Parts: sequence; structure tokens; C-alpha cells
Amino acid sequence: AQTVTQSQPEMSVQEAETVTLSCTYDTSENNYYLFWYKQPPSRQMILVIRQEAYKQQNATENRFSVNFQKAAKSFSLKISDSQLGDTAMYFCAFMKPPGAGSYQLTFGKGTKLSVIP
Amino acid sequence: SQTIHQWPATLVQPVGSPLSLECTVEGTSNPNLYWYRQAAGRGLQLLFYSVGIGQISSEVPQNLSASRPQDRQFILSSKKLLLSDSGFYLCAWVGPTGDNTEAFFGQGTRLTVV
Repeated sequence: AQTVTQSQPEMSVQEAETVTLSCTYDTSENNYYLFWYKQPPSRQMILVIRQEAYKQQNATENRFSVNFQKAAKSFSLKISDSQLGDTAMYFCAFMKPPGAGSYQLTFGKGTKLSVIP
Repeated sequence: SQTIHQWPATLVQPVGSPLSLECTVEGTSNPNLYWYRQAAGRGLQLLFYSVGIGQISSEVPQNLSASRPQDRQFILSSKKLLLSDSGFYLCAWVGPTGDNTEAFFGQGTRLTVV
């Protein structure tokens, strides 16, 4: 079974600064997907960024980028120019492509990020 | 585009009462559907998933059950709620979208059992 570990339960960053959230995972699969989801106080799950394991290039989405190290099974999220609206719980997630017809989506326990004005 | 609806948003139920949470999706057919529970300050725990009508897989033994009576409808139920069933419940659809694969979530149901 896949496991996802987020070792930082809580983090804080000054507004306009950069912060990196860590995520490691354990799998024997070679092909899979990785995601970072944001959950603001409204508790709506919002996709921040995705990475396909077969792609060596790190994904970027505006101020959000990842450092994907496949051999090390590491998938960290960097938020640049942090904004107050980035305050939220961030979840790292691993998805195995469908086996027996089902996608297996596994989440880490989350990192609570607070952006300080 | 795919959308997912989940209701109710908030629910307060007494111990021993029944439960029914509903999730429907639009813009896709034969979706993979999932129920997750999020306890306060914790991550998401997969409860059930379904790959088709009438097909339900349970990830953890519990007081809850799930059903999929229609292709785009997924229901989470309980005959008698326990205090420990309190939490935030999320329905999700997972599947391909163009060249990508991702999960779409409902807005969640905050269940408080009193």
C-alpha cells in the first residue's frame, strides 16, 4: 500500500517570502501521479499543482512549483511571494493509475500554513 | 466540464439516528467515486469507493455504508449514528480530464453527532 508523509504539521511564513512544504511517499509503482491540494478555512479542496511521475520536468503554476525527486520519492511544494490568501491546510496526495478499474488516491496528514502579514 | 455536488453542507444529528449524505456528478459518465472522512486537524481517510453502479468497496470497517444506485450518484448512509461518526465528509470524483488525471471534490458535509 502507498503511504504519504508530510513531516511538518504546521508552518508559518512572512507575507511576500518563500516557503517550502515537504512530502515523501512510499510506493513500488513506476507510473503514478502526485498532487498538492489546498484546503482553506471553507474546507473546499482546491487543486494547486499536479506532477506525472514519468515527467522529469518539475511542474509550475504561477507562484507554486514543485521539486520532484523520483529516486528519493520526494515531492516538495514551493510557494513564492506568499500571500495572505495562501493561509490554508496543504495536502500532498499520491495517485496510482487504475488497477481493477479504480484509482487509488492517498493523502498525507497535511501541513497547516499560516502567512503572517 | 465536470462538477460534483454534495449535500447537505452541515448536519447535526442525535446519536442513534440514521444518516444519508448524497453526492452527484455532472459532465462525465461511469465515474470513479469516493467518500473520504476528515477528522478535526487530521488528514483524509478513504471510507468507500465505487467504480460502477452497485459496486462498492470499503476501506475500513465502520458504522457506515455506501450505495451507488445510479451511475452519477453516490450515497453515504448509517442506520444508527455514533458520536465517533462526527467529522467532515468529502465526496470525490477521480478520473481523466483531457490529458490529465485528477480528483474533483464536493464542498463537503460537516456532520456533528450529539
